[in-house]
Amino acid sequence: GESVGLHLPTLSVQEGDNSIINCAYSNSASDYFIWYKQESGKGPQFIIDIRSNMDKRQGQRVTVLLNKTVKHLSLQIAATQPGDSAVYFCAEREGGSEKLVFGKGTKLTVNP
Amino acid sequence: DTGVSQNPRHKITKRGQNVTFRCDPISEHNRLYWYRQTLGQGPEFLTYFQNEAQLEKSRLLSDRFSAERPKGSFSTLEIQRTEQGDSAMYLCASTTGELLETQYFGPGTRLLVL
Repeated sequence: GESVGLHLPTLSVQEGDNSIINCAYSNSASDYFIWYKQESGKGPQFIIDIRSNMDKRQGQRVTVLLNKTVKHLSLQIAATQPGDSAVYFCAEREGGSEKLVFGKGTKLTVNP
Repeated sequence: DTGVSQNPRHKITKRGQNVTFRCDPISEHNRLYWYRQTLGQGPEFLTYFQNEAQLEKSRLLSDRFSAERPKGSFSTLEIQRTEQGDSAMYLCASTTGELLETQYFGPGTRLLVL
């Protein structure tokens, strides 16, 4: 179906380590993908996005990888900090549609 | 603050009452979206506007829900005859409407129906 899912519901890492959050999607018609960070009681905050004609995009301390062959998306956070602790959602947008379809989220906990 | 704003931030109501939420998008953003998020889940799309026109509605948007954007700026989401299942975070997002433009979210309105 047209759903976005996540492999792991929780991820715990040590401060300074790199984090990898994974996402699987099923809609091959999706042409745009976004990672959001959501802290408790707040709205989703944009982190990084990638279009389907790309396979990698880098931001500040974050990298998104897209593998269309296996319909997999990942978010890599370098040198994870306590402030990175939050729930991370991937979202996809089907080509021609305006709505975003979100997964259930991965809760990232950074231990000092 | 030039981001998306939503009011109220919290609303507690009794079952059967009507509630209305407001969203003010980022200035000059002509597309506005409403999502609903329940605990532990990702946001679910409800509807979106291009200026004042409501262009898409999810099947989640029952006939008790109505959204408006009369002047193409702020939007309101009304829920009539609230039910306990309506308890959720209601999120608003906006974009400029350009191709593949990121949706920027507001802080949400958390609704609790008793």
